Amino acid sequence: QVQLVQSGAEVKKPGSSVKVSCKASGGTFSSYAISWVRQAPGQGLEWMGRIIPILGIANYAQKFQGRVTITADKSTSTAYMELSSLRSEDTAVYYCARATTVTTPFDYWGQGTLVTVSS
Amino acid sequence: DIQMTQSPSSLSASVGDRVTITCRASQGISNYLAWYQQKPGKVPKLLIYAASTLQSGVPSRFSGSGSGTDFTLTISSLQPEDVATYYCQKYNSAPFTFGGGTKVEIK
Repeated sequence: QVQLVQSGAEVKKPGSSVKVSCKASGGTFSSYAISWVRQAPGQGLEWMGRIIPILGIANYAQKFQGRVTITADKSTSTAYMELSSLRSEDTAVYYCARATTVTTPFDYWGQGTLVTVSS
Repeated sequence: DIQMTQSPSSLSASVGDRVTITCRASQGISNYLAWYQQKPGKVPKLLIYAASTLQSGVPSRFSGSGSGTDFTLTISSLQPEDVATYYCQKYNSAPFTFGGGTKVEIK
């Protein structure tokens, strides 16, 4: 059974960075695509970007280009999402989600990580 | 980028009612369309993929249809446990955009 376990909640100052991890178990990590999706309080789902670990290639939503970096460590089956230049509007729950191939939907999700940006 | 537009943004229906949610893509996406259910305070759950294929374990009262630009999620007989927000998503290519969501409540 696939499981995605994310790191714990973070409180950050405006202008700083946050790095959230997503450790996968079950299945073959390298062959997945791992996406990051965020949800601001009371708002909808917003796709941020994804990585295909076996290729080491990441794609990002235009909105986050230059501010987000998604990486993966195949040796530990862990994906990371780092968001920089944080502002209050980045306060949200951040989810990682798995797709089995590059053209399949997200069948497993992490539990979510609340990132709060506050001075 | 392709935009995904859902309607309505919210609805209230009685237990046993048939409920229909629509999702429109700004360009054709073939059948690369998924529906997710998110209950309050919970993680999104995949309901339907390839526009009409039920994910394993999803009750048969849920169904999906459509292709190209227009898609529909139907709940044939609304149950109290179906209270949730439903999102459509395109997944043919990045960016994997979600619709704005439809909040379903019981009248």
